[in-house]
Amino acid sequence: AQSVAQPEDQVNVAEGNPLTVKCTYSVSGNPYLFWYVQYPNRGLQFLLKYITGDNLVKGSYGFEAEFNKSQTSFHLKKPSALVSDSALYFCAVRMMDSNYQLIWGAGTKLIIKP
Amino acid sequence: DGGITQSPKYLFRKEGQNVTLSCEQNLNHDAMYWYRQDPGQGLRLIYYSQIVNDFQKGDIAEGYSVSREKKESFPLTVTSAQKNPTAFYLCASRRLAGENEQYFGPGTRLTVT
Repeated sequence: AQSVAQPEDQVNVAEGNPLTVKCTYSVSGNPYLFWYVQYPNRGLQFLLKYITGDNLVKGSYGFEAEFNKSQTSFHLKKPSALVSDSALYFCAVRMMDSNYQLIWGAGTKLIIKP
Repeated sequence: DGGITQSPKYLFRKEGQNVTLSCEQNLNHDAMYWYRQDPGQGLRLIYYSQIVNDFQKGDIAEGYSVSREKKESFPLTVTSAQKNPTAFYLCASRRLAGENEQYFGPGTRLTVT
């Protein structure tokens, strides 16, 4: 079965420190992977995606993610966290069928402390 | 929120009443989606549509209905048959060509008492 896992419900990081939000997946064939961010009571905003090519993908707001095929992971990273990065982060993977549906992780709450 | 509007932002209804949530996009996207979000869970797909006058059920379509009479509009009706309708509802759209990301509206929080 195809699935996405975000193993941490919450991640706490001090401002200025590097942050990592983890995502692992299980899909048939080559995955297309996405990260989104959601601020309280708002819709989701696209951060970045991996389709093909360089395993390190750079996105909005200084975020980047590394695709690791052998570990089936797509962890979100940022070198120096800001308090304003505090939000809910979702990883998603496209299903390998014709309907282009996404499978979503449960989300990780990121808390950046001053 | 990328040219997608959802209204209203907050909606309150009594149990047993049908309610329709609006979703409009001016991005000229072919595909539109409705998701339900509950605390501690990922997004769950209710319905999606890739073309006008056509739509498919997602994972949790029971108790919901949709229509796609115009490319820019994809309203969702939460019927009285939906057992737990209180949730945050998100509409999204995307261009079909290529691996394009979905763009989301600001959401509607529905409370049924």
